[in-house]
Amino acid sequence: GQNIDQPTEMTATEGAIVQINCTYQTSGFNGLFWYQQHAGEAPTFLSYNVLDGLEEKGRFSSFLSRSKGYSYLLLKELQMKDSASYLCAVMDSNYQLIWGAGTKLIIKP
Amino acid sequence: IAGITQAPTSQILAAGRRMTLRCTQDMRHNAMYWYRQDLGLGLRLIHYSNTAGTTGKGEVPDGYSVSRANTDDFPLTLASAVPSQTSVYFCASSEAGDPGGEQFFGPGTRLTVL
Repeated sequence: GQNIDQPTEMTATEGAIVQINCTYQTSGFNGLFWYQQHAGEAPTFLSYNVLDGLEEKGRFSSFLSRSKGYSYLLLKELQMKDSASYLCAVMDSNYQLIWGAGTKLIIKP
Repeated sequence: IAGITQAPTSQILAAGRRMTLRCTQDMRHNAMYWYRQDLGLGLRLIHYSNTAGTTGKGEVPDGYSVSRANTDDFPLTLASAVPSQTSVYFCASSEAGDPGGEQFFGPGTRLTVL
């Protein structure tokens, strides 16, 4: 079966750095996405990785290792507005997205 | 309109009733999707459409139907609602043929079936 695993909840301090991990087992791989979802709102796109390595975009970076079926999202200089759920999704061989349940990130002052 | 709109925002529905959730996008995207999101579970694909006139089944299609008469609209119909269809429903769209293309989501419809 297809499976995306990520921690249910994480807590971090304003100004700090946090790493959210995602492991996956899917039928085929056509890229991995990270989305942010604030409570009561729609998901919004953060990043896309299809090759191994680190992609940096401002305070957010995303890493992929296809051989390990592993990715992480790194958030630096945390701000209170970063309190949200972070969704990991893998595009499978049918070009459909398989979604993890999301990681709720709580930022404390 | 800018992006994707969904209607209604929320709805309480008696079991057995028929309900259509509306979704309209103005980005001229070929691909559209319907997901449901339940607490503790990831987004699950109900149905999708890669282009106007075609539709396909996702992971959880039972009890739902869709149509794609034109590029902009992608309604989702529950023929006879059941309590297990209580969920938040998101419509999304993307450029077809672009695996790395992001999906743009509507604001969601919160549906409660009693």
